[in-house]
Amino acid sequence: GDSVTQMEGPVTLSEEAFLTINCTYTATGYPSLFWYVQYPGEGLQLLLKATKADDKGSNKGFEATYRKETTSFHLEKGSVQVSDSAVYFCALSKAAGNKLTFGGGTRVLVKP
Amino acid sequence: GAVVSQHPSRVICKSGTSVKIECRSLDFQATTMFWYRQFPKQSLMLMATSNEGSKATYEQGVEKDKFLINHASLTLSTLTVTSAHPEDSSFYICSASVPGRQANTEAFFGQGTRLTVV
Repeated sequence: GDSVTQMEGPVTLSEEAFLTINCTYTATGYPSLFWYVQYPGEGLQLLLKATKADDKGSNKGFEATYRKETTSFHLEKGSVQVSDSAVYFCALSKAAGNKLTFGGGTRVLVKP
Repeated sequence: GAVVSQHPSRVICKSGTSVKIECRSLDFQATTMFWYRQFPKQSLMLMATSNEGSKATYEQGVEKDKFLINHASLTLSTLTVTSAHPEDSSFYICSASVPGRQANTEAFFGQGTRLTVV
């Protein structure tokens, strides 16, 4: 079946540091790929998405490129802020109606 | 974006009682909603797909008699945890998508419900 693997956390960074969270997937066909973010005590919010190979999703300084050849969708941000502290989930979807398969989540803690 | 509202956000119940969690799409009609469960420091696991007007589709290993799902209208799905036990304590979250869209569109999540069974 489909699966998503992302690096385990927690990841602890200083403010303005560079952030990378690795995500790889296994799926048949052509899934859409997503990054969702969960701030403390809240539900999930879409951070960015990419729907086909070589697409780059971007939002709030975060970027991720859909790499079909490496089946990856790594999340990057050049300069993190304390407010970026959250849990980040990589996910894929193939089905209409958006049933999502999630990675394990990566907790990021940004210290001032 | 579309809004999905989940209620309650937190609930504490006694072991053996039942708890109902509501998931509403506020500004769109959702023929399909999804229920996920999140264990502490772990990912979200899909529990079931809630289909308006028909029976829910449960994922393997999820007890359908334990987790009752009712999708009675196009804007409301409910998850009832029956005869709750401490091991049912978890974070439950629902999602819905605007119908007719493709798989590459955004799923909208409720705020989640923190269930604690004592």
